Amino acid sequence: SSELTQDPAVSVALGQTVRITCQGDRLRRYYASWYQQKPGQAPILVILGKDRRPSGIADRFSGSSSGDTASLTITGAQAEDEADYYCNSRDSSGDHVFGGGTKLTVL
Amino acid sequence: QITLKESGPTLVKPTQTLTLTCTFSGFSLSVSGLGVGWIRQPPGKALEWLALIYWDDDKRYSPSLKNRLSITKEKSNDQVVLTMTNMDPVDTATYYCARRVVVAAESLSYFDYWGQGTLVTVSS
Repeated sequence: SSELTQDPAVSVALGQTVRITCQGDRLRRYYASWYQQKPGQAPILVILGKDRRPSGIADRFSGSSSGDTASLTITGAQAEDEADYYCNSRDSSGDHVFGGGTKLTVL
Repeated sequence: QITLKESGPTLVKPTQTLTLTCTFSGFSLSVSGLGVGWIRQPPGKALEWLALIYWDDDKRYSPSLKNRLSITKEKSNDQVVLTMTNMDPVDTATYYCARRVVVAAESLSYFDYWGQGTLVTVSS
């Protein structure tokens, strides 16, 4: 598949751990990057590559990758982590795609 | 400090051509490994990648929209222009530009800085 598939919605209790996944054939060769988007705001990069955090991103955010699936894990979710999360990657022809997004609710 | 800002019309009529400009600072698009891309987001919907232009003038377009899109670098090297022809109400969206970083040796690329976005409405 040329697409990236994400679960539409995930919920997590405050302080617990949640994993958001992104699946697609292109992930077997290229890393995903992950973006957090809050209502009315532009996306921000939270994870790049297998598990790298840009400066300023809390260390409770981590990434992993295996086969055709990339994952974003939030360990000890906070109320401010409630947002939409998108994965993004490229393919061998240089085309890019975003996943459909996952709405994270922190209960 | 790296910044990007989108500019262009907020309202276009169906069938018209949309021209958006991304003005950026804090980096040069002549540096190897850098690019600028356009991404849009219809109200309440997901992000959609549209186009990318790289430091070497390589250009990439969304396969579903490539016949309608054109992306160029201005000679000043601090602006990227996107044109989209034959606009339709379904093209109503917030349009973002973002810096793309490519680390080919690591199969790694990502959008690290984003503009605030500009809402474009297509309506007669």
